[in-house]
Amino acid sequence: DAGVTQSPTHLIKTRGQQVTLRCSPKSGHDTVSWYQQALGQGPQFIFQYYEEEERQRGNFPDRFSGHQFPNYSSELNVNALLLGDSALYLCASSLAGQGRGTNEKLFFGSGTQLSVL
Amino acid sequence: DAKTTQPPSMDCAEGRAANLPCNHSTISGNEYVYWYRQIHSQGPQYIIHGLKNNETNEMASLIITEDRKSSTLILPHATLRDTAVYYCIALKGGSQGNLIFGKGTKLSVKP
Repeated sequence: DAGVTQSPTHLIKTRGQQVTLRCSPKSGHDTVSWYQQALGQGPQFIFQYYEEEERQRGNFPDRFSGHQFPNYSSELNVNALLLGDSALYLCASSLAGQGRGTNEKLFFGSGTQLSVL
Repeated sequence: DAKTTQPPSMDCAEGRAANLPCNHSTISGNEYVYWYRQIHSQGPQYIIHGLKNNETNEMASLIITEDRKSSTLILPHATLRDTAVYYCIALKGGSQGNLIFGKGTKLSVKP
């Protein structure tokens, strides 16, 4: 049973460019969340997608956008890249509607390391 | 979501129990306590969660005080592979993936 897979694993871009990161959730999961983790910090919530819609968003500018496809996979797009966008981008999947607090039992991928030069 | 406080680092001898404390004195009645860990160069890994009763699974035990203001994660027989940053998170069910990770506790398991 494949877990959460993310691609690519590493990426180098220059300022002002646009980037797309991809995520396939764990089999059977229907919800995808994205996180940004700067070096030495804990992950920060970007947004969550469920039923192909953005369900909740963290404190990130509109340059960060996403999409969820009918097969539950997801993309994270970042426009007009800044040096400060250099970070590890993590995707996490979960199954909605489980109750008893288990909705927040997230399964994380190993992330995409983005470097902006 | 309630703020949590954890020691920045801890050491543990291999084979001994690792007891990781977390303070969440402002936790509300409908907030769960979640524990995740992050091994170097990997994504966070779910460990365990609980509301008010103690919980145990194949990875760890979670002890929550009766007043729910603090909790302890117990790894009963720590191995070198348990070296990681451990995050304690308090949040309501239905938070829709918005986990607030603090700086966590860096646990170093030593031979």
